[in-house]
This record gives sequence, structure tokens and C-alpha cells, in this order.
Amino acid sequence: DAGVIQSPRHEVTEMGQEVTLRCKPISGHDYLFWYRQTMMRGLELLIYFNNNVPIDDSGMPEDRFSAKMPNASFSTLKIQPSEPRDSAVYFCASSSSGRRTGELFFGEGSRLTVL
Amino acid sequence: GDSVTQMEGPVTLSEEAFLTINCTYTATGYPSLFWYVQYPGEGLQLLLKATKADDKGSNKGFEATYRKETTSFHLEKGSVQVSDSAVYFCASYSGNTPLVFGKGTRLSVIA
Repeated sequence: DAGVIQSPRHEVTEMGQEVTLRCKPISGHDYLFWYRQTMMRGLELLIYFNNNVPIDDSGMPEDRFSAKMPNASFSTLKIQPSEPRDSAVYFCASSSSGRRTGELFFGEGSRLTVL
Repeated sequence: GDSVTQMEGPVTLSEEAFLTINCTYTATGYPSLFWYVQYPGEGLQLLLKATKADDKGSNKGFEATYRKETTSFHLEKGSVQVSDSAVYFCASYSGNTPLVFGKGTRLSVIA
């Protein structure tokens, strides 16, 4: 079975540009999570969805960040405008409530560099 | 809310050395406990888990035992290899919130 698929794997952009990161969760999973990882702050939960509905976005750093999940097989994380401090690796993860274990399945990540 | 505390790294070991990475948790009730591993350039992947007290999770030579009395889930391996070099995350899950992760411990194994 395919795992969580993220794109792009690497993105280099200039300050002020819009960045869109994409995620396809594992089929049948009803939870989707977006994380950010940096050396300074470690792994941070940004937002998560249940059945395509945002449940908790308290980790989103500021209004420049937005996330959507238009259907069960696709989610986007958008940064507009981007800033150098947004440089990080962004992970998408999914899980199934039916398993009742809380186990998360992570994608390979999108490494963002903002110049 | 739940929290997880794990030893700070980095940890540097010689090949075939014994590894222990400490992890303690605070939670209301009895969470499920996990160790995730992140190899360079990859996402996190589940290494092992335990869902109740005294359970022992094991995988790839790694073990961790769920100790309710000490609220701990320490990761151990008897003989590490260079290929074990990675970042290790302890995590807990209580059923009503997402997984709570520790800050991660970087392990470097030198030949």
C-alpha cells in the first residue's frame, strides 16, 4: 500500500512568494496532521483534521499560514507571503481512528528553504 | 495535558555499545506509548509501541517496557550499529488528543 505522499520534496523560494505544500494521506485514514520540524524548535504540530474538518489549528504560527482539506485524499498547507524563518521541513501524517492506537504514519517531508 | 520528557542528546556511541534513551511521561490515565525513529532525510516511522502497563515493545533489536510505577518507557538496545544513527522520539497517546512527542534524541554510532 502507498504511504503518505507529500510534494514537493524540496522547495526553494524567495521571501514574499507563495508556497503550497501538498499531501495525500493513506486511503481510509480519517485524521490528517501537519507538522513543522526545525533544529531550534523541534517537531511542532501545526494543525490537524478529522474527516476533512479542521479540529485544532492552534499551532499555526500566524495568519500567513493556512491549511485546507477539500476531500479525504488531499490536503494543502499554504504560506503567503513566505519569510526566511519559515524555512523548515514540513511533514504530513495520517492515522485511522478505527485502530484506536494513535499510531501516525508520516510522509517523507517537504524541505522548504526561503531565501 | 499529557507530556513526554526524553533525555537530550546528542548521544554518541561506538558500534556494539549498549544504548539506553530515557523517556518519562505524564498523563491522566494510561496512555499508549511509542518510540518513533527518523533516519536522515526521512520522515518519522514507528519503531515500537506498548499499549498497557508491563507490555514490552520490541523491533529491530530495540526494546522498551511500559513501567506504570515509574511512568517510564526507556528505549534500549544491546549492541548498536552504525545504521542505527538517527533521531529517536518518544510519544504518548491518551485517546482524546493527538500523539504527544518528546523533543527527540539524536544518536550517532561510530565504527
